[in-house]
Amino acid sequence: SYYLTQPPSMSVSPGQTASITCSGDNLDDEYVCWYRQEPGQSPVLVIFQDIKRPSGIPERISGSKSGNTATLTISGAQAVDEADYYCQAWGVTTVFFGGGTKLTVL
Amino acid sequence: QVTLKESGPMLVKPTETLTLTCTVSGFSLTNARMGVSWIRQPPGKALEWLANIFANDDNSYSTSLRNRLTVSKDTSKSQVVLTMTNLDPADTATYFCARIQNWGPYNWLDPWGQGTLVTVSS
Repeated sequence: SYYLTQPPSMSVSPGQTASITCSGDNLDDEYVCWYRQEPGQSPVLVIFQDIKRPSGIPERISGSKSGNTATLTISGAQAVDEADYYCQAWGVTTVFFGGGTKLTVL
Repeated sequence: QVTLKESGPMLVKPTETLTLTCTVSGFSLTNARMGVSWIRQPPGKALEWLANIFANDDNSYSTSLRNRLTVSKDTSKSQVVLTMTNLDPADTATYFCARIQNWGPYNWLDPWGQGTLVTVSS
């Protein structure tokens, strides 16, 4: 089986930077997406193709990847950023999600 | 505006078969650069991918659930149907469908439907 590993939780102070990591053995060969999910809501795409932002996602949210680790960076964290964040990778015929990271802004 | 909406039973008994429908609007299921994915989320737990289907009817399934899942589409109705056999209480979850967007080697899920909660209980 192929797993994507994320820290279960993370906290950040308002205005500071949060970096959420996602590690996987094959990640250097896969493209990574990130999704934000607020309580009771559907996930929303925030990063695709490792680094690209969909329209409507602010520039302070960015993605990067080095080797087998992808990182979602939220700069100038705000209360609205408090949510669960999931990384996702596409295999040849399958899709993998990380276990999710609960980001708390306090 | 692209939307997806899941529909199906809220309560299913153990061993029964679940049939969920995803009705899409704002894009065509015949678009070669698009498909539909099914994902589920047990209460308080992480997202779990279930299946994909593309315009050319290519499909793929979660390795662990492959033997229980079937995905199909009816382009005339703009609907994608997921069936899951032999339901168990562990299958209790919110089931989402999402549009797959494809560009060359790249895929992403956007947008997602609102999800439908399915409870498996006798």
